[in-house]
Amino acid sequence: QLQLQESGPGLVKPSETLSLICAVSGGSIRSDGFYWAWIRQTPGKGLEWIGSTFYSGGALHNPSLKSRVTISVDTSKNQFSLNLNSVTSSDTAVYYCARHVWGSGGYYFDLWGPGTLATVSS
Amino acid sequence: EVVMTQSPATLSVSPGERVTLSCRASQSVNRDLAWYQQKPGQAPRLLIYGVSTRATGIPARFSGSGSGTEFTLTISGLQSEDFAVYHCQQYNYWPTFGPGTTVDI
Repeated sequence: QLQLQESGPGLVKPSETLSLICAVSGGSIRSDGFYWAWIRQTPGKGLEWIGSTFYSGGALHNPSLKSRVTISVDTSKNQFSLNLNSVTSSDTAVYYCARHVWGSGGYYFDLWGPGTLATVSS
Repeated sequence: EVVMTQSPATLSVSPGERVTLSCRASQSVNRDLAWYQQKPGQAPRLLIYGVSTRATGIPARFSGSGSGTEFTLTISGLQSEDFAVYHCQQYNYWPTFGPGTTVDI
């Protein structure tokens, strides 16, 4: 069955770029009907959608983060990635990757990775 | 942005009870509403989408209802594994989540 796994540095310095990768296994990222998403969770703001991308490109972003976010796909490695630049302590969160169902049945998140904690600190 | 609110923040119940959780949207989201269950240290798990359609493998004791701005998740006959945080999420606009309701003993 399809599984997702996040990876990346657990600690990032303020003003630098947070980079995470989501590896997809047990299935192809080249699937019609799905986007691939990043979501984060903090105690203060709860769950926050960051953005989603289709396997052929064409990402969608949360307007509040759009200027700092890049989401890209590497179909050869069956993975997608998140770059969040100019980070501050408010970007400290557990980051999840997820499969984003995209179709007439709705636009919800049906599979999630276990999450990875990213801390912004000097 | 569509703001999602949930009530109550915490619900203390006993196994076997029937539980009703509420979710409200700041504007109509039609039937574009999902529910997730999250246990400590774990990622959210999809329970319901389209207000009332259970995701694969979700027991029938979980049911959803509502439309527009008011939604409800009902758990009939709470089991020990159901103690968790429940989040609602709308997808009529760009996705936003509610803050969650904690169901504990």
